[in-house]
Amino acid sequence: QQQVKQSPQSLIVQKGGISIINCAYENTAFDYFPWYQQFPGKGPALLIAIRPDVSEKKEGRFTISFNKSAKQFSLHIMDSQPGDSATYFCAARQPNTGNQFYFGTGTSLTVIP
Amino acid sequence: GAVVSQHPSWVICKSGTSVKIECRSLDFQATTMFWYRQFPKQSLMLMATSNEGSKATYEQGVEKDKFLINHASLTLSTLTVTSAHPEDSSFYICSARDRRGAAYEQYFGPGTRLTVT
Repeated sequence: QQQVKQSPQSLIVQKGGISIINCAYENTAFDYFPWYQQFPGKGPALLIAIRPDVSEKKEGRFTISFNKSAKQFSLHIMDSQPGDSATYFCAARQPNTGNQFYFGTGTSLTVIP
Repeated sequence: GAVVSQHPSWVICKSGTSVKIECRSLDFQATTMFWYRQFPKQSLMLMATSNEGSKATYEQGVEKDKFLINHASLTLSTLTVTSAHPEDSSFYICSARDRRGAAYEQYFGPGTRLTVT
């Protein structure tokens, strides 16, 4: 059973456009929601993260929107650049498990010039 | 800060041999390290959680006798794939939790590409 559902599977955006990736979860016990960026052949790198007591967090061109009642959160990449082309994973932390994360299925983002 | 390294970055081995992958936290002490497996164009699948000085906790369906994990110190965890077979070929990624920092953070290594011929 997929604990965190992510969509879309792939996304193509024009340079300068907004990339939006969505995730949904069921377990209301999750208490931390990070987004990771992964380039081919590399490990995931933390991009931005949010806790459920906050509805939005912005860091540079990256924004997380969090809707606790809907159990959904999304990543917005403003002014998307070709260098943003990568696979993005959302995740959710299960407390009291030593920091176990459940990952979404990933979104392959391609930003075309 | 919060750098995690893995060695080797890629390895090719023959079927039936064993391969050891090292995961090190370079600038912090990790009470907990995690081992993931990732198939091409797929998500990360947690294999096991290891705590320094104790036995690893394996996820359901992961053979503990095949994937041996040792977390001998606060900066080093090793994953040994024993009697490797072609179906074990995958991208193995470790992550580590900093004992000092926010309880939520996990820092990932660059991954190890294992190919079994």
